[in-house]
Amino acid sequence: DAGVIQSPRHEVTEMGQEVTLRCKPISGHNSLFWYRQTMMRGLELLIYFNNNVPIDDSGMPEDRFSAKMPNASFSTLKIQPSEPRDSAVYFCASSLGGLENIQYFGAGTRLSVL
Amino acid sequence: GEDVEQSLFLSVREGDSSVINCTYTDSSSTYLYWYKQEPGAGLQLLTYIFSNMDMKQDQRLTVLLNKKDKHLSLRIADTQTGDSAIYFCAESKKGTGRRALTFGSGTRLQVQP
Repeated sequence: DAGVIQSPRHEVTEMGQEVTLRCKPISGHNSLFWYRQTMMRGLELLIYFNNNVPIDDSGMPEDRFSAKMPNASFSTLKIQPSEPRDSAVYFCASSLGGLENIQYFGAGTRLSVL
Repeated sequence: GEDVEQSLFLSVREGDSSVINCTYTDSSSTYLYWYKQEPGAGLQLLTYIFSNMDMKQDQRLTVLLNKKDKHLSLRIADTQTGDSAIYFCAESKKGTGRRALTFGSGTRLQVQP
């Protein structure tokens, strides 16, 4: 399996622009997670889906952030409008579920908002 | 305070053992994990342990869990320069709907040749 695939790997944009991050989870996994990593706050959950349904979006910073999972093999995280404080590395992870809750991470998208 | 705490930095010589420590606060944690992050890369799962176990060994890695003190450690035997990375401790909590992992701030391991 190719693992969790994220695109793009790097994104540089200007403040106010819309940014869309993409994730393809591991085939057969039923849970998908979006995390954000910053120096100040470390790794924090933004949202997670189970069977394509958003279960916990308590980490989504504000209305500028939205996430979708239209099918089991694709998810997007959109920021509109983007702000410099959104600059971070965004990780997608997927899991088979189960008690062990083993999450496999993608390589991440490094976002820079100028 | 933070749910999961780690020291920020550890430096060892190649061939020595490394011990990375982690403390957590939530007694309802079910599984605890160690992830490795190399520069510019995602998080790679190294190992995990169920909360009713005391120890788990996997080749050069040994995980020790002291549930009473809520203390988790990762020992890397015969540390190599390729082990230089950031190591994250994480916990998974019991309860429906709470599947996200809570991560520590990470310990940067530097291996001196």
